[in-house]
Amino acid sequence: GAVVSQHPSWVICKSGTSVKIECRSLDFQATTMFWYRQFPKQSLMLMATSNEGSKATYEQGVEKDKFLINHASLTLSTLTVTSAHPEDSSFYICSAAAGGTDTQYFGPGTRLTVL
Amino acid sequence: KQEVTQIPAALSVPEGENLVLNCSFTDSAIYNLQWFRQDPGKGLTSLLLIQSSQREQTSGRLNASLDKSSGRSTLYIAASQPGDSATYLCAREGNKLVFGAGTILRVKS
Repeated sequence: GAVVSQHPSWVICKSGTSVKIECRSLDFQATTMFWYRQFPKQSLMLMATSNEGSKATYEQGVEKDKFLINHASLTLSTLTVTSAHPEDSSFYICSAAAGGTDTQYFGPGTRLTVL
Repeated sequence: KQEVTQIPAALSVPEGENLVLNCSFTDSAIYNLQWFRQDPGKGLTSLLLIQSSQREQTSGRLNASLDKSSGRSTLYIAASQPGDSATYLCAREGNKLVFGAGTILRVKS
């Protein structure tokens, strides 16, 4: 149980375009979803926390207008990287939890490359 | 600032060797400590979760300990196998998960 999927698994886009990444909890209802970013050989850094039906809470230094997060249902959250630039190239991982302090289950990640 | 440090950054061992990965954290007021495995280009697989009231957890060849007073956790892997090759991350749970940078483990056959 507790499977989280992400789509796409990898994406290449041109600088200036927007990219949407989906995170789905397949077999449980996720009240809270988390978005992380991981640069090569670095640790996962929390970008934002989203609760279903409310606005996401962004970590310090993360631009909320650039990384749009929508958590419209208990099984789906999306991260849209707007006007992507090469420095946004990274590995984006989501996780989902039944509640804010419950165990997080991680998705397989999405590799974004911006040319 | 709440930080998590992992030592060593990389480790290469021959198959069959027992090994220890270290994790230290600056905030002792943690709730839980979790160890994950990450394969190249993949997401995270949870290995062991040690609740703050516990001192250790075991799963198969893996044993993780937690010493809150010293701010340390160790992951012990017995009889290592090539399939254990991966990056191992520890994360301390507070109001959010804070990850270390990981230890890249390579087990040579």
